[in-house]
Amino acid sequence: DAKTTQPTSMDCAEGRAANLPCNHSTISGNEYVYWYRQIHSQGPQYIIHGLKNNETNEMASLIITEDRKSSTLILPHATLRDTAVYYCIVKGGSQGNLIFGKGTKLSVKP
Amino acid sequence: EAEVAQSPRYKITEKSQAVAFWCDPISGHATLYWYRQILGQGPELLVQFQDESVVDDSQLPKDRFSAERLKGVDSTLKIQPAELGDSAMYLCASSPGRSGGYSYNEQFFGPGTRLTVL
Repeated sequence: DAKTTQPTSMDCAEGRAANLPCNHSTISGNEYVYWYRQIHSQGPQYIIHGLKNNETNEMASLIITEDRKSSTLILPHATLRDTAVYYCIVKGGSQGNLIFGKGTKLSVKP
Repeated sequence: EAEVAQSPRYKITEKSQAVAFWCDPISGHATLYWYRQILGQGPELLVQFQDESVVDDSQLPKDRFSAERLKGVDSTLKIQPAELGDSAMYLCASSPGRSGGYSYNEQFFGPGTRLTVL
């Protein structure tokens, strides 16, 4: 599975969009980009995943560059409850396992 | 909404003692995972079950750790004897797996068991 690189930490003002970047320059053609988050003292929570096209659900939007070497998770209107560690993971569709890095610690401030 | 259940939520034990953690996955989920998460790190897979069979235990320290899922439903992870370095959060997750017909394996995590070894 491809390796990902994320900033260690980011801050965002409450109500503003949070844009979390992820680099995955060694991603292969059949690998998906997954995003999970982990709120303090809870288990990780699935957010969104994508292959090539941009994706949007009720939680977030995922923007994948055309060359698929990087992506951005967008929380359109961040709230204090979005403070968490966000993990970007690359893996093949239904095969392989989730390999978590250290993620990005997002702090949403009032 | 269905959730993955884990117990206990917290466990404090002394080194060389035996500990056991229990996980009840979401009903109907064929795949079950145990992860260990050391403070400040991301979760690390210990073992993966497909129904009652182990499909990946390459990262499980088999000299002291064991895991079973006898009827393909709930699962137990055991450590015997516990060591100081085993202090961590132990997370269980489940996914529909092949039986769910999903093209990806979104994993649903439980709240975890925080183990402290003294």
